Amino acid sequence: GQQVMQIPQYQHVQEGEDFTTYCNSSTTLSNIQWYKQRPGGHPVFLIQLVKSGEVKKQKRLTFQFGEAKKNSSLHITATQTTDVGTYFCAGPSGGSQGNLIFGKGTKLSVKP
Amino acid sequence: NAGVTQTPKFRVLKTGQSMTLLCAQDMNHEYMYWYRQDPGMGLRLIHYSVGEGTTAKGEVPDGYNVSRLKKQNFLLGLESAAPSQTSVYFCASSRTRPGYEQYFGPGTRLTVT
Repeated sequence: GQQVMQIPQYQHVQEGEDFTTYCNSSTTLSNIQWYKQRPGGHPVFLIQLVKSGEVKKQKRLTFQFGEAKKNSSLHITATQTTDVGTYFCAGPSGGSQGNLIFGKGTKLSVKP
Repeated sequence: NAGVTQTPKFRVLKTGQSMTLLCAQDMNHEYMYWYRQDPGMGLRLIHYSVGEGTTAKGEVPDGYNVSRLKKQNFLLGLESAAPSQTSVYFCASSRTRPGYEQYFGPGTRLTVT
């Protein structure tokens, strides 16, 4: 079945370093979404990418959608302790209902 | 607006006991979902609903039942709890199809002993 894979599973960085997480789908996606879950919290929607090659920025966060619409990345510049959490990508599954398939997430820890 | 709320926040069950988790949303969303989250496994869809009176199976439906009698509520039932159902359960809703963002509730932490 359709799979959404994320790497790395864990990332430990020093505050101020950059961070990147990658998301790969086994099938072409109509769109991809990114969510952030703080420790002990619930997933919160960050952004959606729809177009091939699309790049969107939110302050220090840069999101990219691949040309083939099968991969995506989230890059954080100069991480801060507030960036700690798990970042999930998610894409619609196939079929008429089209539920979201979530990657397993990348857990980011930031050392002050 | 409260968004998506879940009750209870925590629960401990003994094997074989039953319980119902309640999810409520005040955003008039059509779609509602139940996920479970286990360490290293991400979010796995249990059941979902595309509208009042409808339900459908997700990736891991066994051992769970759901009902959506009112548009704003989505109930998840465990008829005979098992230790394998120890998990954090999240409810979510979205306006229509998953092309739209999902709003998550705060979660229910369930332990089955």
